[in-house]
Amino acid sequence: QKEVEQNSGPLSVPEGAIASLNCTYSDRVSQSFFWYRQYSGKSPELIMSIYSNGDKEDGRFTAQLNKASQYVSLLIRDSQPSDSATYLCALGSYQLTFGKGTKLSVIP
Amino acid sequence: DADVTQTPRNRITKTGKRIMLECSQTKGHDRMYWYRQDPGLGLRLIYYSFDVKDINKGEISDGYSVSRQAQAKFSLSLESAIPNQTALYFCATSHLTAREGPSTDTQYFGPGTRLTVL
Repeated sequence: QKEVEQNSGPLSVPEGAIASLNCTYSDRVSQSFFWYRQYSGKSPELIMSIYSNGDKEDGRFTAQLNKASQYVSLLIRDSQPSDSATYLCALGSYQLTFGKGTKLSVIP
Repeated sequence: DADVTQTPRNRITKTGKRIMLECSQTKGHDRMYWYRQDPGLGLRLIYYSFDVKDINKGEISDGYSVSRQAQAKFSLSLESAIPNQTALYFCATSHLTAREGPSTDTQYFGPGTRLTVL
């Protein structure tokens, strides 16, 4: 059984700051890693996927993967109040295992 | 129009009733999934289907059944609803894409159905 661990938060950051979200996992076989954003009462929305060790950047978002240490992180630069949501880490392939999510609050 | 639709969006029912939740997609994806989400427990996979003739149990399939009527339609049934099946239910779709290295399978979610069993 894969385990995906995330700090439930809430993580509070001031507007304009960098938000750092972390995820650790137990499965050494998974090759695909995803970050989803979920607003309260809404469905998860894909932000980024990452498959190789290192960093992947997309606009204000950077995903970082370290398979040897079994962690994946998401950095949000210039955080905005609209980034306030729960961020879900997921890994696997066709059968994704999700973490329980970290709630991020960006304070204006 | 939304790529993945779910009906109904909200449903309140009583213990023992049979309930069907429906999912339709226009993304042309071959893979479809049903999840439930509970506060503090995250998203858990109920069933998944890779094509019309393929049905697989997920982590928490007891008390649920599914039907893949067509590539674009995947329904979830609760034969006899019970209160601990009160949750937010999501349908998701994906299509296996080849890329450098291992294949990947990004999932896209429908808007969800909020089910309350009294």
